Amino acid sequence: DAGVIQSPRHEVTEMGQEVTLRCKPISGHDYLFWYRQTMMRGLELLIYFNNNVPIDDSGMPEDRFSAKMPNASFSTLKIQPSEPRDSAVYFCASSLAPRDVLFGFEQFFGPGTRLTVL
Amino acid sequence: QKEVEQNSGPLSVPEGAIASLNCTYSDRGSQSFFWYRQYSGKSPELIMSIYSNGDKEDGRFTAQLNKASQYVSLLIRDSQPSDSATYLCAVTAYSGAGSYQLTFGKGTKLSVIP
Repeated sequence: DAGVIQSPRHEVTEMGQEVTLRCKPISGHDYLFWYRQTMMRGLELLIYFNNNVPIDDSGMPEDRFSAKMPNASFSTLKIQPSEPRDSAVYFCASSLAPRDVLFGFEQFFGPGTRLTVL
Repeated sequence: QKEVEQNSGPLSVPEGAIASLNCTYSDRGSQSFFWYRQYSGKSPELIMSIYSNGDKEDGRFTAQLNKASQYVSLLIRDSQPSDSATYLCAVTAYSGAGSYQLTFGKGTKLSVIP
């Protein structure tokens, strides 16, 4: 199994530009998660999907951020326009559905995209 | 705001010793708890999950959960230099209608000294 695949691995852009991050989850996983990690704020959940449907986007910082999952094998996180404070490592993770509502998600993380906005 | 607190460390232990990592959480309705290991520059990797009070052992790792005290810990026995990493505590609560609250702590950096 190839695991969760993310691209690009590194992205350097200038303030105001559009940035698109991509993710391919593990085949058969029902849930897909987008996270942002910084030294100051740690690992923050931005949004997650169940069967391609967004369930909770309360972690998306503002309207400049948007995420889509057009099919079970592909998701994008877009930032438009980008700002220097968006510089972070963005992780995508996927998981099978919990066995029961009392059980959470055993998540598998992709390698991340390191975003630098100048 | 659901909070998950961890001591940022660094926690330094000699090789062969027991490393004890702690995590407290604010949401009493939390139901599932996870420990992830993250090496520098890498992505988090799941190492333990625990759902009920008590201990759960897996090799050199033991997770301990006390829901009354809202406390979860991870013990690493016979610590090895390869265990040097940041350990993230994650907490999940079901909030109804197919929605979950997922919160990560900021992690504890562990350094195992040869």
